Amino acid sequence: GAGVSQSPRYKVAKRGQDVALRCDPISGHVSLFWYQQALGQGPEFLTYFQNEAQLDKSGLPSDRFFAERPEGSVSTLKIQRTQQEDSAVYLCASSSDRGRPSTDTQYFGPGTRLTVL
Amino acid sequence: KQEVTQIPAALSVPEGENLVLNCSFTDSAIYNLQWFRQDPGKGLTSLLLIQSSQREQTSGRLNASLDKSSGRSTLYIAASQPGDSATYLCAVIMEYGNKLVFGAGTILRVKS
Repeated sequence: GAGVSQSPRYKVAKRGQDVALRCDPISGHVSLFWYQQALGQGPEFLTYFQNEAQLDKSGLPSDRFFAERPEGSVSTLKIQRTQQEDSAVYLCASSSDRGRPSTDTQYFGPGTRLTVL
Repeated sequence: KQEVTQIPAALSVPEGENLVLNCSFTDSAIYNLQWFRQDPGKGLTSLLLIQSSQREQTSGRLNASLDKSSGRSTLYIAASQPGDSATYLCAVIMEYGNKLVFGAGTILRVKS
């Protein structure tokens, strides 16, 4: 596809369940970002990959959140033992940037809406 | 810590009006600033990107200005249309980083 895709688009989980959210970036994009967007708020940074290396995970809210990008393409964001405060839209973005500071725009996927009951 | 604020939080205007959305940031050491549009159930679409050395960028009916030293940006939309209805987000990237720091957005409704 031409853009960033994410799956599933919607996920309902019971409190305590583990979930896995997938992101397929634009082909050839080196950089991949995860953001969390709570209702009525702007997205907040979670983590950043350059190829398969996770260079920044300072935004992950707790050790229940884990992200990986083992082959430098598809990425998975995993949340263990989900809690109600994890309910949000999780956005993935990719860019062709290779370093800092960023010079290229980030292209966003449609997001995964996670609802924890 | 960089904080980005957008005013107003919501705006409702009749079709055809010109309007201005405001964005302010607390740390002026930014590398660039972007304006995004977000439609319900969809991801973010980049509208305009202004490098810190630039003062403004234009695309069609949209014009964004940047005053880095005062920590402010405005997005001007000319001759608004119902199709402009969406949430508009302002975001900055710091000189030393590559993550976007977003404001909470302005919800725009253009009435026909």
